Amino acid sequence: GQNIDQPTEMTATEGAIVQINCTYQTSGFNGLFWYQQHAGEAPTFLSYNVLDGLEEKGRFSSFLSRSKGYSYLLLKELQMKDSASYLCAVRDGDYKLSFGAGTTVTVRA
Amino acid sequence: ETGVTQTPRHLVMGMTNKKSLKCEQHLGHNAMYWYKQSAKKPLELMFVYSLEERVENNSVPSRFSPECPNSSHLFLHLHTLQPEDSALYLCASSLTGTSSGANVLTFGAGSRLTVL
Repeated sequence: GQNIDQPTEMTATEGAIVQINCTYQTSGFNGLFWYQQHAGEAPTFLSYNVLDGLEEKGRFSSFLSRSKGYSYLLLKELQMKDSASYLCAVRDGDYKLSFGAGTTVTVRA
Repeated sequence: ETGVTQTPRHLVMGMTNKKSLKCEQHLGHNAMYWYKQSAKKPLELMFVYSLEERVENNSVPSRFSPECPNSSHLFLHLHTLQPEDSALYLCASSLTGTSSGANVLTFGAGSRLTVL
């Protein structure tokens, strides 16, 4: 079966940095994804890692270590609009994307 | 607007009703998905269609019946549901195949279902 763990909630101050960790144990691995979901809205794609290392995209970066079954999403220069749920997902095979329960990030002024 | 449209956005139904959820994508994708999202739980994959053929059926009860008439449309027919089926049902689409890279899923905003 698939096991994807991430913290339930995190709180940070506007302008700060927050790191959301994700550990996974899956039967296969064909890429790790991070999605952002605001309340009442569709999850939207943030990042994709398939090789070890850091992928940077503006204020957001994602890191992967396949040997450790570990990823993190780094959010820099936090803004109020970054308050959302962040979903870690692992793909095994061609289609199946398995998700963690999501981390709710609250940004305070 | 993500390019994946779901209707209705909200649905309340009794346990004996029959209703359908609709999903339409305008992205030229060739695979479509149904996920169930319950509070504080991971998204659960229900069904996957690739090129209009069902390729994944994740042990979903038969009271949920998917239909994919073409690569742009996906339905979820609901019949004799239980209160525990109340959840947000998310549709997604993607472009699969060797040239499609990450095969990123694009989600719709979901249909919030309440079963009384």
